[in-house]
Amino acid sequence: DAMVIQNPRYQVTQFGKPVTLSCSQTLNHNVMYWYQQKSSQAPKLLFHYYDKDFNNEADTPDNFQSRRPNTSFCFLDIRSPGLGDAAMYLCATSTRTSGSSYNEQFFGPGTRLTVL
Amino acid sequence: QKEVEQNSGPLSVPEGAIASLNCTYSDRGSQSFFWYRQYSGKSPELIMFIYSNGDKEDGRFTAQLNKASQYVSLLIRDSQPSDSATYLCAVKGGYQKVTFGIGTKLQVIP
Repeated sequence: DAMVIQNPRYQVTQFGKPVTLSCSQTLNHNVMYWYQQKSSQAPKLLFHYYDKDFNNEADTPDNFQSRRPNTSFCFLDIRSPGLGDAAMYLCATSTRTSGSSYNEQFFGPGTRLTVL
Repeated sequence: QKEVEQNSGPLSVPEGAIASLNCTYSDRGSQSFFWYRQYSGKSPELIMFIYSNGDKEDGRFTAQLNKASQYVSLLIRDSQPSDSATYLCAVKGGYQKVTFGIGTKLQVIP
């Protein structure tokens, strides 16, 4: 089945220790997103890629970086995690069709990050 | 004013009843509207999307859109305990950014 896969599902890191979360997809979608979701809050978009074009949200801290080496994979790097970065990190994909229309998003299972 | 507003709930309905979930948005240029279901500790799952004014039905789910009033709703008929989850409204705005609401927690009481 075509799907969005995230690894690891649970990640524990220490304060200030860099961490990388990964996302892969078999949907062949050209758009990939990273969201941060804290308990009882809405998913917050950090950035997205349309093919190799990187689009950063204005309020995404510099501590968060992303890489997309190919269509299938996208990585979220947190350079110096703080206690406030503990959250669920969601990867999503979508297609972009004619004009500039982005279509519905499909989410991976998420990675729950704990910062000690 | 929040871009996408939802009542966080919980909304409690008895099994078999109709659950009505509402969402309002501020960007009049919004183009597409999505409803996602999210179980506790899980990722959002797309339930329905709607682009045009009016109703769109899919099984027990009906999405309703009124662009003039800037609201979108989701009706769940014959509610089941398995429908108990948080329902996220998502709106794609004029700049293609998708903004999520905080979600409404639905509890279906057996």
